[in-house]
Amino acid sequence: GAGVSQSPRYKVAKRGQDVALRCDPISGHVSLFWYQQALGQGPEFLTYFQNEAQLDKSGLPSDRFFAERPEGSVSTLKIQRTQQEDSAVYLCASSPQETQYFGPGTRLLVL
Amino acid sequence: DQQVKQNSPSLSVQEGRISILNCDYTNSMFDYFLWYKKYPAEGPTFLISISSIKDKNEDGRFTVFLNKSAKHLSLHIVPSQPGDSAVYFCAASADSNYQLIWGAGTKLIIKP
Repeated sequence: GAGVSQSPRYKVAKRGQDVALRCDPISGHVSLFWYQQALGQGPEFLTYFQNEAQLDKSGLPSDRFFAERPEGSVSTLKIQRTQQEDSAVYLCASSPQETQYFGPGTRLLVL
Repeated sequence: DQQVKQNSPSLSVQEGRISILNCDYTNSMFDYFLWYKKYPAEGPTFLISISSIKDKNEDGRFTVFLNKSAKHLSLHIVPSQPGDSAVYFCAASADSNYQLIWGAGTKLIIKP
């Protein structure tokens, strides 16, 4: 079945490099969420879209983080001038109503 | 300030016995609770949920209990199977289609 997919699965970046993480949600799902998961912790909310509208970006840790979903489907999370503390797994989830369905995540390592 | 707490980092249970995973929360505005299961290198997989108007929800071997007065929920797995070995996350929301607040997870190990 077509679940949530994310690419790349793994990304190694040099400190200061820009990265872009892609999320393909389940077709027809209106809501899309991005979470950041540090090692040994639960995911932490970053941002939320309803269709193409970004309704909440309160969890984005700094103005280096930017997310978009221009056509209400695929979403991209961009991190500019990456820092070592950005190293984490970035999870995307989509939802039709109540339950959020997650992709496999992108593991980002900043050296 | 952790709003959702899973106080047991790990739990070891004999195959065939009951596994009980616990979760406590502090925010009385939470009205929707979920359990997710996560294998290494995979995203969390939805298991079962419960809204605050209920105190129990059952799905096959999985049952979630909610005690609103104690701000406590638990996941029961009966009988436990080797494939249940994974990290289990409790998550809560103040709106059923909004951001989830997560616990740190409990690693469940099912011993043969």
